[in-house]
Amino acid sequence: RKEVEQDPGPFNVPEGATVAFNCTYSNSASQSFFWYRQDCRKEPKLLMSVYSSGNEDGRFTAQLNRASQYISLLIRDSKLSDSATYLCVVNGATSGTYKYIFGTGTRLKVLA
Amino acid sequence: DGGITQSPKYLFRKEGQNVTLSCEQNLNHDAMYWYRQDPGQGLRLIYYSQIVNDFQKGDIAEGYSVSREKKESFPLTVTSAQKNPTAFYLCASSLGETGLAGELFFGEGSRLTVL
Repeated sequence: RKEVEQDPGPFNVPEGATVAFNCTYSNSASQSFFWYRQDCRKEPKLLMSVYSSGNEDGRFTAQLNRASQYISLLIRDSKLSDSATYLCVVNGATSGTYKYIFGTGTRLKVLA
Repeated sequence: DGGITQSPKYLFRKEGQNVTLSCEQNLNHDAMYWYRQDPGQGLRLIYYSQIVNDFQKGDIAEGYSVSREKKESFPLTVTSAQKNPTAFYLCASSLGETGLAGELFFGEGSRLTVL
């Protein structure tokens, strides 16, 4: 089983749709969770950190479910500019060595 | 502006040649990382460093070497021993403090093609 798993997609959705991605992780000791956005042939950029209580930033909502070991990303009112690959990143360290584990990404295409 | 600078952005290499990719950060971060990304795959860790003059192998260190002589610099050398070096290379940094791991900041990447 991969340490971090994502559905690769692509998710093709019309503008204005709501879309949700999940990411499962295998290390129950994982402490820090992130969603990054990566455009084609560019570097990943932080979209959101994911907190235990869940967090929202405009049209984006991230949630953590420790019992089932997954994090989710919800995008409301999708825009054409949301088309990208969304990377789930998990870090299992509490101190010292930092090992960030990346999912392979979920590709989103928002269609006009 | 603070950030991470990678150079060169594009690099072409003949088989058998070593190349060095530069990574400089002015974020005052302790931890620095090198990742490799291949199409359809997640980022894979090559090397990381949490402090000057110390670095650790990641998951795919064979055929690569690094140094960390200064806090702001973490160059990666792709040696001729690396069997399949054509890839997108990403340098990243993080605060590296103890406790919960903070976010990673990435450079714009270096795209290496072996001819």
